[in-house]
Amino acid sequence: AQTVTQSQPEMSVQEAETVTLSCTYDTSESDYYLFWYKQPPSRQMILVIRQEAYKQQNATENRFSVNFQKAAKSFSLKISDSQLGDAAMYFCAYRSTNSGNTPLVFGKGTRLSVIA
Amino acid sequence: DAGVTQSPTHLIKTRGQQVTLRCSPKSGHDTVSWYQQALGQGPQFIFQYYEEEERQRGNFPDRFSGHQFPNYSSELNVNALLLGDSALYLCASHRGNSYEQYFGPGTRLTVT
Repeated sequence: AQTVTQSQPEMSVQEAETVTLSCTYDTSESDYYLFWYKQPPSRQMILVIRQEAYKQQNATENRFSVNFQKAAKSFSLKISDSQLGDAAMYFCAYRSTNSGNTPLVFGKGTRLSVIA
Repeated sequence: DAGVTQSPTHLIKTRGQQVTLRCSPKSGHDTVSWYQQALGQGPQFIFQYYEEEERQRGNFPDRFSGHQFPNYSSELNVNALLLGDSALYLCASHRGNSYEQYFGPGTRLTVT
């Protein structure tokens, strides 16, 4: 079974600065998806960014980018120019592509605080 | 276009009771998944429904059951509630083999 580990329960960053959230995962599969989800106090999970394992290029979405190291099974999220609205729980998630509709496997999350 | 909706928002039940939570998927989506998120934890997969049948199931007891209706909406039922069932229950929907699951705002269940 796949597992996802987020070793940083809490992180903080000054507004406008850059922060990196860590995630490692364990799998024997060669093809899969990785995701970062944001969960603000409103509780709704919002997809921040995704990475297909077969792609070597790291995904980027505006201020959000990832560092995907497939051999090391590492998938970190970098948030640049942090904003107050970035404060939330961030979850790293894994999804197999072996079958059509496999569920997401989540880490325990990292709570990000943004200091004005 | 409405996203995923869930009802009720909050619910308080007594140990031993039964509860039903409801989910309407995003328009055009045919697959619904349910997750349980305990306080301070990441979501855990309960089960997934497609074409009105349970297609996959996580490591949850039979007290957890579900249903999907012809309009793709879904219900999660929990029988014989335990204190440990207190959690945020999230519904997510997607279409076909799409990679992205869209989540609802969740139902906060408190068992006393």
